[in-house]
Amino acid sequence: GAVVSQHPSWVICKSGTSVKIECRSLDFQATTMFWYRQFPKQSLMLMATSNEGSKATYEQGVEKDKFLINHASLTLSTLTVTSAHPEDSSFYICSVQKRGGPYEQYFGPGTRLTVT
Amino acid sequence: GQNIDQPTEMTATEGAIVQINCTYQTSGFNGLFWYQQHAGEAPTFLSYNVLDGLEEKGRFSSFLSRSKGYSYLLLKELQMKDSASYLCAVETNTGFQKLVFGTGTRLLVSP
Repeated sequence: GAVVSQHPSWVICKSGTSVKIECRSLDFQATTMFWYRQFPKQSLMLMATSNEGSKATYEQGVEKDKFLINHASLTLSTLTVTSAHPEDSSFYICSVQKRGGPYEQYFGPGTRLTVT
Repeated sequence: GQNIDQPTEMTATEGAIVQINCTYQTSGFNGLFWYQQHAGEAPTFLSYNVLDGLEEKGRFSSFLSRSKGYSYLLLKELQMKDSASYLCAVETNTGFQKLVFGTGTRLLVSP
């Protein structure tokens, strides 16, 4: 099956610093990548849709200046949490959609962010 | 708006059958996914329904009724390892065919 990797798998940072999370599609080219956030005992909430070569599309209520997304190639998307605060502590998961279909999202293993 | 509802928690015993329901009201609909998620891990794909009816895959089956905005996931011969959260997600046809996830159902299987 498809393999999606995320790095780092977990990170602890101090309040006010920035953290970059990488999402890589290892098995196929991904035109579209999605970034989700999941708080404890809650479901996944879509933050933004990352498109290769163009600006990301953010969901309502998600600050684009705080969560910077760069989809630099067909296999790599990055999410940077800028000026992190404790309320940004969450599980961040990316998923990729295979170019040319079928439409099924393959999820990365997630990144646990803790802001102290 | 988008609204996808699932029961919050369910319990069942090993070897039994459990049905997890999902009702949805979304601005678009292309299909419906079910994912399994163990604590601290990423979701893994279970099933995908586009047309009305039942899709069977081993111990897991998924049903869809588009006219009723309703789906269920049926798990047979429950095993302890089936204890996990089960997420219903609707593939909307707005924008980039993004997935809208339901609230998730935590299933606890006891001996």
